[in-house]
Amino acid sequence: AQRVTQPEKLLSVFKGAPVELKCNYSYSGSPELFWYVQYSRQRLQLLLRHISRESIKGFTADLNKGETSFHLKKPFAQEEDSAMYYCALKSGNTGKLIFGQGTTLQVKP
Amino acid sequence: NAGVTQTPKFRILKIGQSMTLQCTQDMNHNYMYWYRQDPGMGLKLIYYSVGAGITDKGEVPNGYNVSRSTTEDFPLRLELAAPSQTSVYFCASSPLGQGGYGYTFGSGTRLTVV
Repeated sequence: AQRVTQPEKLLSVFKGAPVELKCNYSYSGSPELFWYVQYSRQRLQLLLRHISRESIKGFTADLNKGETSFHLKKPFAQEEDSAMYYCALKSGNTGKLIFGQGTTLQVKP
Repeated sequence: NAGVTQTPKFRILKIGQSMTLQCTQDMNHNYMYWYRQDPGMGLKLIYYSVGAGITDKGEVPNGYNVSRSTTEDFPLRLELAAPSQTSVYFCASSPLGQGGYGYTFGSGTRLTVV
């Protein structure tokens, strides 16, 4: 079965600390994975895609097929990073996304 | 360029009432989706459409209906509202089903059924 798991509902760190938001997936085939972010009172927006291997707002995510993971990382958290983060897996060729449960990142001053 | 526009932003329904959640996009995207967001559950796909006149069920379609008469519009209909449909509803669009372009989301509709 295709599934995305984000094991942490809440991750709380201090400003300047490293951040790692975990995402594990289950998918037979070559996965396409995404991270979406939802800041307070804003709409969900795409943060990054694994196929573009980009760094957005200091965040990076590497696809590890051996561990079936796509963890989101940032070396030094900022208060403005506080938000809900969703990992998502593209399913099939109709663009459907399977979302994880979401992790709330709280960055304390 | 408005992107994806959802109306209304908030709505309270009584059990058994019906309503339509509107979604419009002005990016000429072929693919459109409706998700519901429940706390601790992530987003669940209700219905999706790959183009005008074509719709299909997602993971949680019961109690909902959709239509796609134009590329721009993808309304979601709730018939006989139930408390279990209390949720935040998001519409999204994508230019293609492949290529990993990601979604553009609307701002959401917060629905409460009492």
